[in-house]
Amino acid sequence: KAGVTQTPRYLIKTRGQQVTLSCSPISGHRSVSWYQQTPGQGLQFLFEYFSETQRNKGNFPGRFSGRQFSNSRSEMNVSTLELGDSALYLCASSSFTSPNEQFFGPGTRLTVL
Amino acid sequence: DQQVKQNSPSLSVQEGRISILNCDYTNSMFDYFLWYKKYPAEGPTFLISISSIKDKNEDGRFTVFLNKSAKHLSLHIVPSQPGDSAVYFCAASEGNDMRFGAGTRLTVKP
Repeated sequence: KAGVTQTPRYLIKTRGQQVTLSCSPISGHRSVSWYQQTPGQGLQFLFEYFSETQRNKGNFPGRFSGRQFSNSRSEMNVSTLELGDSALYLCASSSFTSPNEQFFGPGTRLTVL
Repeated sequence: DQQVKQNSPSLSVQEGRISILNCDYTNSMFDYFLWYKKYPAEGPTFLISISSIKDKNEDGRFTVFLNKSAKHLSLHIVPSQPGDSAVYFCAASEGNDMRFGAGTRLTVKP
């Protein structure tokens, strides 16, 4: 089985721009979660999608949004980028039978200049 | 709010000795706990987990201990190997809500 894939792997944007990150879960996994990783803060939960519905949301401003498609692929969007949005964005997928065991992608490294 | 805390940002041990990584949580509703290992330029990979109905789970060199009354879990690695050098994240979940700690960077010296 192919693992979780994320594109792009690296991205450089400037303040005020918007960005869309993509995540393809493991085949058969219907749950996709997004996390932001910054030094010292660990993994901060952004949101979780299951069957195209957002089931859970972390404490991030509305500039952060996401969606999930019928094939379980997910995208997250950040609008009006700020310098503090520079981070590694990770997505993870899990199966219905083992919802707690998440499989992570390699992440997208976003740098905001 | 940091519901899951790893108070040691780094830990250094000698090869062959025991590594003990600690994690504290505040939400008593968490019922499942996990440890993930992360190498640079890779996503975290699942290591070991424990349900709140247990107090110990062992998998090879890795053992996770859960103390519910203290809201504390720990990961023991015995014996530690240089390849174990990585960042370790603990995670706790309640239903679909999973929270991670900030991570502990483990360095195992040969």
